[in-house]
Amino acid sequence: LAKTTQPISMDSYEGQEVNITCSHNNIATNDYITWYQQFPSQGPRFIIQGYKTKVTNEVASLFIPADRKSSTLSLPRVSLSDTAVYYCLVGPRFGAGSYQLTFGKGTKLSVIP
Amino acid sequence: NAGVTQTPKFQVLKTGQSMTLQCAQDMNHNSMYWYRQDPGMGLRLIYYSASEGTTDKGEVPNGYNVSRLNKREFSLRLESAAPSQTSVYFCASILGTGGSNQPQHFGDGTRLSIL
Repeated sequence: LAKTTQPISMDSYEGQEVNITCSHNNIATNDYITWYQQFPSQGPRFIIQGYKTKVTNEVASLFIPADRKSSTLSLPRVSLSDTAVYYCLVGPRFGAGSYQLTFGKGTKLSVIP
Repeated sequence: NAGVTQTPKFQVLKTGQSMTLQCAQDMNHNSMYWYRQDPGMGLRLIYYSASEGTTDKGEVPNGYNVSRLNKREFSLRLESAAPSQTSVYFCASILGTGGSNQPQHFGDGTRLSIL
């Protein structure tokens, strides 16, 4: 299973764009990249998933370069309510090894007024 | 929509007591998972059920048992609670019968303290 590395924490001011990068050097051909958001006292919430290039939804964008060895979660114009821990997961959606994905410690984003 | 519902939300046990944590989902999902999260840590997989009638061990199964009662419900049992099992427990579900890198839907957790 691909090992991921994320910054432990990040600070940002309200209204700024925030980019959180996840490194996954040993990503496999059939691996997808998934991001979750977790607020205090709540379970994680799925944000976005991608395989290559760029994926965008109403919450965030996910940028994946051609070599797929890293990915960047982009949150546009953050607000105080975006203060949370963000987790990057890498692994297959199906088949052998797809059930044992682990959530690392994530990146704690603090949005400052 | 209720989504994934966990009960109870809080519980305090004494060492050696037993307890069952309940999880139910109303989304007709096939796969269900139990995680624990310790302070400042990520989530660690305890057990999972890829489909109704099947269960398998995750990363940290020792001290726990599970039952996939039906398609909706997946319970986690602590037979003899130990202080090291003090944690927040999360249940999650996935629509498909594939693996956990499909979008997971989480409950709000059960905060368990063992004295």
